Amino acid sequence: GEDVEQSLFLSVREGDSSVINCTYTDSSSTYLYWYKQEPGAGLQLLTYIFSNMDMKQDQRLTVLLNKKDKHLSLRIADTQTGDSAIYFCAETPKVGRDDKIIFGKGTRLHILP
Amino acid sequence: EAGVAQSPRYKIIEKRQSVAFWCNPISGHATLYWYQQILGQGPKLLIQFQNNGVVDDSQLPKDRFSAERLKGVDSTLKIQPAKLEDSAVYLCASRKQGDEQFFGPGTRLTVL
Repeated sequence: GEDVEQSLFLSVREGDSSVINCTYTDSSSTYLYWYKQEPGAGLQLLTYIFSNMDMKQDQRLTVLLNKKDKHLSLRIADTQTGDSAIYFCAETPKVGRDDKIIFGKGTRLHILP
Repeated sequence: EAGVAQSPRYKIIEKRQSVAFWCNPISGHATLYWYQQILGQGPKLLIQFQNNGVVDDSQLPKDRFSAERLKGVDSTLKIQPAKLEDSAVYLCASRKQGDEQFFGPGTRLTVL
């Protein structure tokens, strides 16, 4: 089946690193994504990782993929107040259409001063 | 490049009324999606169009929801009649071949 699970809340002090975790059930997933949603705005694709990769780094963002455990994480270094948003983990299951995206419920990141 | 446009941004109706949402995708994007995002949840795909044809409407409650993309560009999503549980943000997204999905700002629907 297709399911994506993530914790609902995370509080981090400004300047610290944030780590948002996600688990998924479909072992045949091709792409895994992290989207950001700010209040009143649509979803913005932050980064993605192909299923044959273990890690991807893009400036302050690091994505780690443990395919054996079906675990995906997003690390935001030097967290800033502008990083306050809801972060959605998502996957594209291989079975079926290759552009269908299954989203988790989102993790609300709160930045403490 | 202009993004995905949606209107209205907010809509409040009473249950059993009808409502329609409009989406204008990014120019040249053949694929268009409508998602429903209930408060506290991630977006759920309702329907996907490729040009003016429906690719996937398996999650669309067809007894009350309908959508069309007659000329393969703009799209409308209609709910008739609305129920309380239809309160959500309705997101439109578009995509061109081989690229990511781009999302609009959404229409927040409140059904009283």
